[in-house]
Amino acid sequence: DTEVTQTPKHLVMGMTNKKSLKCEQHMGHRAMYWYKQKAKKPPELMFVYSYEKLSINESVPSRFSPECPNSSLLNLHLHALQPEDSALYLCASSQHGTREHEQYFGPGTRLTVT
Amino acid sequence: DQQVKQNSPSLSVQEGRISILNCDYTNSMFDYFLWYKKYPAEGPTFLISISSIKDKNEDGRFTVFLNKSAKHLSLHIVPSQPGDSAVYFCAAYSGAGSYQLTFGKGTKLSVIP
Repeated sequence: DTEVTQTPKHLVMGMTNKKSLKCEQHMGHRAMYWYKQKAKKPPELMFVYSYEKLSINESVPSRFSPECPNSSLLNLHLHALQPEDSALYLCASSQHGTREHEQYFGPGTRLTVT
Repeated sequence: DQQVKQNSPSLSVQEGRISILNCDYTNSMFDYFLWYKKYPAEGPTFLISISSIKDKNEDGRFTVFLNKSAKHLSLHIVPSQPGDSAVYFCAAYSGAGSYQLTFGKGTKLSVIP
């Protein structure tokens, strides 16, 4: 099983809303990632959690707030977003060790900020 | 500066023929190279990877070749099928504990029936 699930599939929110994106994996992976992907561009890394601790924050604005409640779940809390934050948000996970480089992606949440 | 480059934005191939997707990189310290396939409105799907110490890795219809001296890798798909039509991303991994995948901009493959 190499499945990473994400909810919701689509999300439309206003600039004053607060919403959360959810990601789940049951592969026993201990590294989890959030990426942002704009149309016709490659994915851009936002955050990395390793063993439920935030390891990397790629200078992401504070209106994006990640959370890793346990080894299977990853959330991304959204508040006061801008229209330019509209994008496909991808969650990924990987093992530690020799297969660490193989990141498995979820289907993404298509976010539209109005 | 782009460290991973896919210079062909698109490629069209006849069904049953070979598809060859190319990727160049500049950082000789990359540990692994990967290929992902992406359909519209879906997440990237991991296809195949190769260690920097190898020159070939094969998995079914997919083979990746690595030429370290030229800093070049390629993905061969044989035979190509219409379901292979997607955007293919080349990615490079910076090393243990880095968690960093550097992606190319992608090549859109169209397999014509």
